[in-house]
Formats: sequence, structure tokens, C-alpha cells
Amino acid sequence: GDSVTQMEGPVTLSEEAFLTINCTYTATGYPSLFWYVQYPGEGLQLLLKATKADDKGSNKGFEATYRKETTSFHLEKGSVQVSDSAVYFCALSDRGYSTLTFGKGTMLLVSP
Amino acid sequence: DVKVTQSSRYLVKRTGEKVFLECVQDMDHENMFWYRQDPGLGLRLIYFSYDVKMKEKGDIPEGYSVSREKKERFSLILESASTNQTSMYLCASSGPNGQLNEQFFGPGTRLTVL
Repeated sequence: GDSVTQMEGPVTLSEEAFLTINCTYTATGYPSLFWYVQYPGEGLQLLLKATKADDKGSNKGFEATYRKETTSFHLEKGSVQVSDSAVYFCALSDRGYSTLTFGKGTMLLVSP
Repeated sequence: DVKVTQSSRYLVKRTGEKVFLECVQDMDHENMFWYRQDPGLGLRLIYFSYDVKMKEKGDIPEGYSVSREKKERFSLILESASTNQTSMYLCASSGPNGQLNEQFFGPGTRLTVL
């Protein structure tokens, strides 16, 4: 079945550092890929998405490129802020009805 | 502004009680979902519904049932709550079938079963 593997956290960075959170997937079809973010005490919200190979999703300074050859969708940001502290989930959609398969989440902690 | 609301943020119940978790969306979405979120396990799909009165099992349906009598409302039911159902429960909704739409999430209900 489908699965998503993302790096374990927490990832601890200083403000303005470069961020990479790795995500790889296994899917039987040709999935769409997502990054969701969960701020403390809130539900998840969509950060960015990509629907086909070589697509780059971007939002709020975050980027991720759909790499079919390496089955990866790594999340990057050039300069993190304290306000980026949250849990980040990689997900794929391959089963119809927009159902999602999530990774286990990666907590990001950014210190001033 | 799109909105998914859940009936309670925090809930404490006793083992064996029947528990109802309610979710309402105001976006006229066809699809609605229930997940549970546990540390180290991420989000796991319990049930989803693609239309009124229609439901499909997700990855972990055991011990749960659902009801969707109206398009905007999707209820998760724990027939006889057990301590291993202590978790964060998240509801989500998404748009028309056949289109790839993002899921919009509610704030979650943290359920504790004693």
C-alpha cells in the first residue's frame, strides 16, 4: 500500500537557518503530494502541494519539488523564523475522494 | 472564510461510555474525513464519507462508526469507549469528487478515556 516516510524530529534550528525536512513516498499510482503544517493547538492547514513530476510547490517561503525518480518531496526554506515552529506533515493522495496518506510528522523548533 | 468546526476541544469520558464527536463544515463539501492523531504515528484515517449517508472505512475503523445524515455534518461514534481510544481526533472536509482538492481541518478534539 501507499506510505510516506519523513525524517524524525524534533529539528532544532536557530532563526535564519536553512531548513530541509526530508520526505519520501511509496505509491502504486501517480500520486499528488502535499505538505501540511500544524501550529500549536490548531488543526492542520495546507502549506503547499504538487500534482506532477518536477512541479514545485511554494508558499510562505517554503518550497518542495516533486521528484518522481527519487520518489521524494523534500521541504525547504532558506531562512526560518521563530513563527515557523510547528509540526510538518508530508502526505500523498492516491486513493480517490481526496483521501490522504500522511507521514508521522516532523516537529520544527526555531529559537531566536 | 472556510470553516470546519468540532463540537468540543477537550472531552473526558469513562470506559464503556458511548461517545459522539461532531464535525460541521460550511463549505458545501462532498467529502468529509475523521482521523486520529497520536505521537509517533501521525494521522491515521478512521472513516470518510463522500456523500450524505455514504461512508467508507479508512485504515483503522475498528471500534468506531460514523453517521452522515446531512451534507454539512459528519459524526464519529465510539460505541463503547476504551482507554486505547484516548487520542486527538481531527475532522476534515474537501470539495467535489473527481477533483484534487485540499482538505480543510478542524481544530481537533482531544479525547481522554479514563
